[in-house]
Amino acid sequence: DTAVSQTPKYLVTQMGNDKSIKCEQNLGHDTMYWYKQDSKKFLKIMFSYNNKELIINETVPNRFSPKSPDKAHLNLHINSLELGDSAVYFCASSLTTWGLQETQYFGPGTRLLVL
Amino acid sequence: AQSVAQPEDQVNVAEGNPLTVKCTYSVSGNPYLFWYVQYPNRGLQFLLKYITGDNLVKGSYGFEAEFNKSQTSFHLKKPSALVSDSALYFCAVRDQAGTALIFGKGTTLSVSS
Repeated sequence: DTAVSQTPKYLVTQMGNDKSIKCEQNLGHDTMYWYKQDSKKFLKIMFSYNNKELIINETVPNRFSPKSPDKAHLNLHINSLELGDSAVYFCASSLTTWGLQETQYFGPGTRLLVL
Repeated sequence: AQSVAQPEDQVNVAEGNPLTVKCTYSVSGNPYLFWYVQYPNRGLQFLLKYITGDNLVKGSYGFEAEFNKSQTSFHLKKPSALVSDSALYFCAVRDQAGTALIFGKGTTLSVSS
């Protein structure tokens, strides 16, 4: 069973469209994250949620809106897609929010290409 | 602010030889350090972490990392490299002001047969 899963795996879309990426974890973790990996492979946190509550909201355009219907799911909705949004988006989860020693487990990534 | 640096963009090593992928860190307080590996078109896989205790941490796939507080380093090592170890390796530190991982820029490891 996949611990952290994301759908879709690939997403190709036109500028201006709205799209969503879904993430689910079956690890029983309380905290979930979205990271962005740019074309140079640089990874940066976007958001984190603890049991459906927003914890981290980095300097991300408000076109990006995370939604957590329950603690096992964290979706990412992107409005008015721009060329610069092309990247790989990784979902991750950890047992709790504040355990600094805890491991974060990552999903396979969603490769978004905006044309 | 916490940060990690991976000074090498690429490391090349012959199969069977030992490998080292370097990482240095800057933190206020105790460091919580992680290594992840990313194979082509795949997600990040956890290799190992340093929390406290022994300076030599053993992880998955025969990898280990040596924590050195005086040199603020956390280098990833393997005694004998395999071609299948070729991948992108990330060092990360836990952001003590929040919950996120702060990643280095990554080091591409290429193991030749």
